[in-house]
Amino acid sequence: DVKVTQSSRYLVKRTGEKVFLECVQDMDHENMFWYRQDPGLGLRLIYFSYDVKMKEKGDIPEGYSVSREKKERFSLILESASTNQTSMYLCASSLSGQDEQYFGPGTRLTVT
Amino acid sequence: GQQLNQSPQSMFIQEGEDVSMNCTSSSIFNTWLWYKQDPGEGPVLLIALYKAGELTSNGRLTAQFGITRKDSFLNISASIPSDVGIYFCAGLGSGGSNYKLTFGKGTLLTVNP
Repeated sequence: DVKVTQSSRYLVKRTGEKVFLECVQDMDHENMFWYRQDPGLGLRLIYFSYDVKMKEKGDIPEGYSVSREKKERFSLILESASTNQTSMYLCASSLSGQDEQYFGPGTRLTVT
Repeated sequence: GQQLNQSPQSMFIQEGEDVSMNCTSSSIFNTWLWYKQDPGEGPVLLIALYKAGELTSNGRLTAQFGITRKDSFLNISASIPSDVGIYFCAGLGSGGSNYKLTFGKGTLLTVNP
């Protein structure tokens, strides 16, 4: 079974803080993704990575950056958290571009 | 970004009933996926469809990849209370974007015991 884990299930941070969200997959998948999910807006792609050290912007990359130093790990960084970044953050991975994506359990981030 | 048209938005059914939901798109997809999401959790993959016309089952779930590659449906037979949740369709591989999933807005399923 594919396992995607996220470092925290719940996080509360203050405005202006730097926030790191970590994601790890154990199936040697090439691709990893970060989404946010908001009521009424659905899932939106922030960034994805198709190889180590490679990344591409998704639909809403502003205010975020990512890091993929190892194949199994993909980090999402909020350089200076703002209240409009309060959301559910979901990590996913897939074997290759045309394969199904498997999601982690999500991190509920609240920025106050 | 683009979204799929998923219907119905919500369903209230009695335990034991069958359920059907579908997704349509103006774009062609190479892969159709169906996910279930429980409150506060990440989406869990239920069924993946790779070929136009493909009909695939997973227990009480059956899904089909439309022949035009622009639609898909999911059926749940003999529903049980643990079927409660939000069901999402997703398409992959539209317009040369191999990596990008396009999601429906979800169908909220409530099952009355």
